Amino acid sequence: ETGVTQTPRHLVMGMTNKKSLKCEQHLGHNAMYWYKQSAKKPLELMFVYNFKEQTENNSVPSRFSPECPNSSHLFLHLHTLQPEDSALYLCASSQGGWDPQYFGPGTRLTVL
Amino acid sequence: AQSVSQHNHHVILSEAASLELGCNYSYGGTVNLFWYVQYPGQHLQLLLKYFSGDPLVKGIKGFEAEFIKSKFSFNLRKPSVQWSDTAEYFCAVNPRGSSNTGKLIFGQGTTLQVKP
Repeated sequence: ETGVTQTPRHLVMGMTNKKSLKCEQHLGHNAMYWYKQSAKKPLELMFVYNFKEQTENNSVPSRFSPECPNSSHLFLHLHTLQPEDSALYLCASSQGGWDPQYFGPGTRLTVL
Repeated sequence: AQSVSQHNHHVILSEAASLELGCNYSYGGTVNLFWYVQYPGQHLQLLLKYFSGDPLVKGIKGFEAEFIKSKFSFNLRKPSVQWSDTAEYFCAVNPRGSSNTGKLIFGQGTTLQVKP
């Protein structure tokens, strides 16, 4: 595998379910990011991790819980989501700071 | 609040036509600037970037962009588009403030449709 991979690619869940999104980067980068892409809206940064430490939380509701066990893996744990949370969730990685970010294919999430 | 504005939401061109997509940002300090492209069914890819130096930057596939600091703009251009350029294009800004978190602020995107 090369680049940034995300699993699953599609996820349908009920409002009471608990699920997790996984992201893995094979680029040797030190920073990882979660973005939300909703229809008709710009990509919204959710979380930033640098060297496994969370350095940015863009006022994301607590029903989204990120985890970064090492610089190559990033998770987004989901619980008690709302239908308006349905969106494409994108993971990205970079060398950190102002370097370009490289994106995964995303997970298309539908909350029923 | 910091924001990025892409004026054209949907552009339709014929092959060989010239392209210019507008991007303006609101931030008074130093910035890094990016254009990303998302081809149908594919993930976001970096098209080109500006960090410093020559304000005219060249990217992949014949694209270029010009940073005009006085206008807070970073417009994307291509002299002659091809059908394969059909995609969604996103402008993004990384404000180089004191916080070095790599925060990217994206525009809403422009859908380009090139007719053969």
